[in-house]
Amino acid sequence: TQLLEQSPQFLSIQEGENLTVYCNSSSVFSSLQWYRQEPGEGPVLLVTVVTGGEVKKLKRLTFQFGDARKDSSLHITAAQPGDTGLYLCAGDTGGFKTIFGAGTRLFVKA
Amino acid sequence: GAVVSQHPSWVICKSGTSVKIECRSLDFQATTMFWYRQFPKQSLMLMATSNEGSKATYEQGVEKDKFLINHASLTLSTLTVTSAHPEDSSFYICSAPRGAHSSYEQYFGPGTRLTVT
Repeated sequence: TQLLEQSPQFLSIQEGENLTVYCNSSSVFSSLQWYRQEPGEGPVLLVTVVTGGEVKKLKRLTFQFGDARKDSSLHITAAQPGDTGLYLCAGDTGGFKTIFGAGTRLFVKA
Repeated sequence: GAVVSQHPSWVICKSGTSVKIECRSLDFQATTMFWYRQFPKQSLMLMATSNEGSKATYEQGVEKDKFLINHASLTLSTLTVTSAHPEDSSFYICSAPRGAHSSYEQYFGPGTRLTVT
């Protein structure tokens, strides 16, 4: 069974702090997506990483795909209250099925 | 703007009744859609894959006779929760893949919150 483990599960930080969320698996993925979900809404795609070692930046968010395409990280610089939400990593198995991590719930205090 | 819509956004029903949730792809065709359920403070759990013109594929542990899926057109999939019970109360989310040949990147609907009393 393919699993994606996310850590930490919950993170509460002050505005302006940096943080990193990790997504790990023993399986290799064709690609990996990061989504952000706000309460009562569906997840919204933030980024897709495809190539091992790839780094993508989205404003204050930096995403990295592991060299072996088994893990990924999301780093947020100078977090803001608007970054509050549930962050989900999702791995594309290539078989028309996406595996979701358990999610990291981030709360940024003003 | 939203590319996948769901209706209703929330519903309250009595135990024993059935509830239908619609998932529509807007401005694009989706031969495949996915149905998820999400419990409070938890991640998404895939329930089934809805295939246009054919039977849905259910994940292990999901009762196909209880969660009826119909994908009658390229833009609409429906999930009917039959004989609903309080334990079926959850947040149901559908999604449609952006690509034609994989689940690579998905558009998610806004979700439907079901409360069974």
